[in-house]
Amino acid sequence: ETGVTQTPRHLVMGMTNKKSLKCEQHLGHNAMYWYKQSAKKPLELMFVYNFKEQTENNSVPSRFSPECPNSSHLFLHLHTLQPEDSALYLCASSQLGQGRVGSGNTIYFGEGSWLTVV
Amino acid sequence: AQKITQTQPGMFVQEKEAVTLDCTYDTSDQSYGLFWYKQPSSGEMIFLIYQGSYDEQNATEGRYSLNFQKARKSANLVISASQLGDSAMYFCAMREGYSSASKIIFGSGTRLSIRP
Repeated sequence: ETGVTQTPRHLVMGMTNKKSLKCEQHLGHNAMYWYKQSAKKPLELMFVYNFKEQTENNSVPSRFSPECPNSSHLFLHLHTLQPEDSALYLCASSQLGQGRVGSGNTIYFGEGSWLTVV
Repeated sequence: AQKITQTQPGMFVQEKEAVTLDCTYDTSDQSYGLFWYKQPSSGEMIFLIYQGSYDEQNATEGRYSLNFQKARKSANLVISASQLGDSAMYFCAMREGYSSASKIIFGSGTRLSIRP
C-alpha cells in the first residue's frame, strides 16, 4: 500500500472509445505525475502537475488529456487511441519544493493501469 | 545524452547470494537525489532506497544498500541474501536540482532473476 491508488487496473478499449484513468493520492503531496511504460522501453514521463497546475507536457499527443481538479486527484482522459498506445500507465506523486533535494522528494507510484487498445 | 545508465539488461543469481545492480549517472548539479525502485511482474513500482548527493554515508534499508561513489558518479544497489521474491525489474532514478519543477529520470532497468 503506497498511498497512491489507480483505477481501473486493467482496461481494454476500442480505438473509437472514450475512457478515463483515475488516480488518487493520500500522502498529502503537492505534485502528481503520469508515466507511460511500453514493452522494452524506458519509463516515459507524460505530464506533471504541481499544485494543480500543469508544469510539464512531454510532447504527448492530444488524444491523451490530463485533468487535475485538486492536488489529490489526477485523471487521464483517453479518446481515439491507437494500438501503439497500449501500455502500462503509472500515476505517481511526490512533494516538491525549493531547496536541496532530499528523501522527502521521493516519488511514490500507484499499481498502474494496464491499457490495451484494440 | 543518457543521464542514467544501467548496463545490465538482465542478471541471474543463485538464491541467498548477494547481488550488485549497476547504475551510473550524469549531472552537473550539486544537489541531486538517487533512487532505486523494484517492479515485479504485476507492474507496481516499489520504492526501495534513497541516497542524497550530500549524504556522507551509504544508504541502507534492510537487505538493500546503496554503494554511492560520488566521484565516479555511480550508485549501485546491493541486495544481500537474495530471495526468490527479489525477482523483478529494478530501476535506478535521479532527481536533480533545487527547482520545484525538477523531475525524476529513470534508467532502462535491469531484470533480476533469482534461481532456487
